[in-house]
Amino acid sequence: SVLTQPPSASGTPGQRVTISCSGGRSNIGSGTVNWYQHLPGTAPKLLIFSNDQRPSGVPERFSGSKSGTSASLAISGLQSEDEADYYCSTWDDSLKGAVFGGGTQLTVL
Amino acid sequence: EVQLVESGGTLVQPGGSLRLSCAASGFTLNNFWMTWVRQAPGKGLEWVANINQDGSEQYYVDSVRGRFTISRDNAEKSLYLQMNSLRAEDTAVYYCARARIFTSWPNEELAYWGQGTLVTVSS
Repeated sequence: SVLTQPPSASGTPGQRVTISCSGGRSNIGSGTVNWYQHLPGTAPKLLIFSNDQRPSGVPERFSGSKSGTSASLAISGLQSEDEADYYCSTWDDSLKGAVFGGGTQLTVL
Repeated sequence: EVQLVESGGTLVQPGGSLRLSCAASGFTLNNFWMTWVRQAPGKGLEWVANINQDGSEQYYVDSVRGRFTISRDNAEKSLYLQMNSLRAEDTAVYYCARARIFTSWPNEELAYWGQGTLVTVSS
C-alpha cells in the first residue's frame, strides 16, 4: 500500500493505543487524512476526517493527528467494542486517486 | 436518513462483464461526490473510483482504469459501476459511499456507506 500501517495492534481495556500511518509528499504530505473503523461484515465507519475532526456520534476517546507525511489515530480508554480493523486514507496527487493504508487489526486483550 | 443500497453482485466468469448499482435515498444525490470501494477476501479496503456531482469528472485506481466505468443518474438517484474484462483479482465486496459534505474537489471523507455487494469472478 502507498500508506503504511502496522498490521496489528493490541491493548487491554482502559489503555491508550496509537496506530500510525506513514505516507509521502504526494499524499499525506499534501492533504488531509481520514480514519475508518471496519468490523467484518459491516459497512466501514468514518472515525476521523480532516486529520483530527470527529463526526458527530464518534466518542472523544478517538483522536487523530498529522505531522508532515505521517498521521496517527489514538484510542484512549480502550473498550472491547473497539476491536476492529482501522484504516487511514487520503488523496494522492500523483496517482490522482484516493488511497487506503493496509489496515491495522486492533485486538483488545 | 441517508441510505445507500448496492445491488448487482454475483458470480461471473473471467473476462465477463457486470454492472453494479447503488440506490441512494435520504439526501440529494447531485450535491455529492460518490465513490466505490472494494474489499477482496482477507484483504484490506481498496479505493476503486469516484465521480463528481454531474458526472463530468471521474478518477480510477490504476488496476481498473480502462476496464471499469463509474457513472451516475441523479434523476434516478443511482450510482453505477460498469465492470468489463473481469479478472479473478476483482473478486471482492464492493461498497458505494458518499462524501461527507459538498465540495467542488474530490472529497474522500466517506461518511456514509452501503452494506456492500459481493462480486465473485471465477470459472
